[in-house]
Amino acid sequence: QVQLVQSGSELKKPGASVKVSCKASGYTFTSYAMNWVRQAPGQGLEWMGWINTNTGNPTYAQGFTGRFVFSLDTSVSTAYLQISSLEAEDTAVYYCAREFIAAPGTVDYWGQGTLVTVSS
Amino acid sequence: QSALTQPASVSGSPGQSITISCTGTSSDVGGYNYVSWYQQHPGKAPKFMIYEVSNRPSGVSNRFSGSKSGNTASLTISGLQAEDEADYYCSSYTSRSTVVFGGGTQLTVL
Repeated sequence: QVQLVQSGSELKKPGASVKVSCKASGYTFTSYAMNWVRQAPGQGLEWMGWINTNTGNPTYAQGFTGRFVFSLDTSVSTAYLQISSLEAEDTAVYYCAREFIAAPGTVDYWGQGTLVTVSS
Repeated sequence: QSALTQPASVSGSPGQSITISCTGTSSDVGGYNYVSWYQQHPGKAPKFMIYEVSNRPSGVSNRFSGSKSGNTASLTISGLQAEDEADYYCSSYTSRSTVVFGGGTQLTVL
């Protein structure tokens, strides 16, 4: 069965960096794009962008350029989200979500989420 | 890209039907049939409920249905059950090849 397992919660100081992992299993990793979605505390879902798992080409949503980097290690079927120069406003749950191949912009399977807390 | 507009909250009694609206523009909801809906229980990851406006993935109850008219999509839940109490989000593919989510709707089953 399809599973996306994300790394555990992180507590970081402002200015630090964090790297969240998303390990996929149960399907061919390079056949489905991976999306990233942010959810700030008590807020809604916000699409961050996606990465083509075949080519490694990332696409970032407005507001997620510069400090946010999507990457892959296809040898271990894992996608990564790295955030640098962390700010308090980056405190959120970050989800990876697999693209639903039949419909652009749609995701079917989600990771369990990774809480990133930025606090001094 | 502005978020799609959803009502902040809706409520209904067990057995009733409710509808959640999701309003966008001709550049997203109105321009494509790539509207999807997700259910999120507190502290959990979202769950995929509807795709391409009105299609249900395998395993999703047929009490959930979707539709669209112009720039507004809708999710209808019939025969409300206590377990349906959750937050619901719509999303749409956009003319910029991006994705936009709605602000979310909290469903309360009275």
